[in-house]
Amino acid sequence: ELKVEQNPLFLSMQEGKNYTIYCNYSTTSDRLYWYRQDPGKSLESLFVLLSNGAVKQEGRLMASLDTKARLSTLHITAAVHDLSATYFCAVLRAGSYQLTFGKGTKLSVIP
Amino acid sequence: KAGVTQTPRYLIKTRGQQVTLSCSPISGHRSVSWYQQTPGQGLQFLFEYFSETQRNKGNFPGRFSGRQFSNSRSEMNVSTLELGDSALYLCASSPLTSRGETQYFGPGTRLLVL
Repeated sequence: ELKVEQNPLFLSMQEGKNYTIYCNYSTTSDRLYWYRQDPGKSLESLFVLLSNGAVKQEGRLMASLDTKARLSTLHITAAVHDLSATYFCAVLRAGSYQLTFGKGTKLSVIP
Repeated sequence: KAGVTQTPRYLIKTRGQQVTLSCSPISGHRSVSWYQQTPGQGLQFLFEYFSETQRNKGNFPGRFSGRQFSNSRSEMNVSTLELGDSALYLCASSPLTSRGETQYFGPGTRLLVL
């Protein structure tokens, strides 16, 4: 059974600081996704990482994938309040079209 | 391009009733997936359809069923509702011509079972 673990689950950080969210998964996969969810809203796609060593950046967010370590990271640079949200990683199980999600990291950026 | 739409947005039902939720994917997308989101269990996969065929099913009881129509629109049905079925039900669509394409989520249907 594929398991996806995110840590931390809660993150409170000051504006301007850097931090990293970690996503570990338990079985082989080379398809990893990051989503953002604002309170009461749906999921917004941030990144799709398709191969080992993939790195993608959008604004203050950068995501990377290490398929050998079964680890993805979402790095936040110089956080701003607008980044406050819950961030989910999700893994596509090998041979299937089913996304398995982590429990999410609730990020609060404090002025 | 219009996004994924889901109807209704909110529903209140009582135990034992049944409910049907609808999802219209982004134009041209042929894959539709359904997920249940609850505070306790998080996001859990229900099922995925492509060209009217169910390709994957999650670990949910048979009370949860779905179907996809020839225009790619999808419906899910929950029969004999239980209190624990209260959740946000999210539909996602993807062109999914290959496995790596993004799934785009709709706004969700919030179901409350009393």
